[in-house]
Amino acid sequence: GAVVSQHPSRVICKSGTSVKIECRSLDFQATTMFWYRQFPKQSLMLMATSNEGSKATYEQGVEKDKFLINHASLTLSTLTVTSAHPEDSSFYICSAPGTLSADTQYFGPGTRLTVL
Amino acid sequence: DAKTTQPTSMDCAEGRAANLPCNHSTISGNEYVYWYRQIHSQGPQYIIHGLKNNETNEMASLIITEDRKSSTLILPHATLRDTAVYYCIVRVPKKLGNEKLTFGTGTRLTIIP
Repeated sequence: GAVVSQHPSRVICKSGTSVKIECRSLDFQATTMFWYRQFPKQSLMLMATSNEGSKATYEQGVEKDKFLINHASLTLSTLTVTSAHPEDSSFYICSAPGTLSADTQYFGPGTRLTVL
Repeated sequence: DAKTTQPTSMDCAEGRAANLPCNHSTISGNEYVYWYRQIHSQGPQYIIHGLKNNETNEMASLIITEDRKSSTLILPHATLRDTAVYYCIVRVPKKLGNEKLTFGTGTRLTIIP
């Protein structure tokens, strides 16, 4: 089946620094990718929709200047958490719709961000 | 997308069939029922989906009631690796662009040895 990878799997950073997370579709192209955030013991919350070649669409309440999304190619989307603070510590997950079946989503393994 | 209701948690003995219910009483005619699961500290995984007929694949079976207001995901022979949070999502499948998913709280299934 389709595979989505994320890098890094874990990252620890100091407060005030920026962190970039990569999401790659390994064996298919994705004009759209989705970024989710998940706090402990909570469900996934959609943050934004990443669109190849155009601006991302952010969900209500998500700061676009803090969570920068770039979808520069059909296989790569990046999420940059700028000026990270401890409250940004979370599990970040990306997904992409599969081309064989546009009805389903393929998720990356997630990135655990800890901001000290 | 229609709202779904799932039990918060369930236990199932290893080797037995795990039956996970989902209520979606406000489902509309063109909405499908999707099931995903999330093993701890991993990304969600697609399991199965259906419209009105029962569906089966290598992972599970999906039974949808005739009025489509509820469904049951069946894992026929549960193993310890099936311990996860299972999400039932009802939505209209979108072929292009906006295929985003809205996750509820899901059912935390624990397989007991």
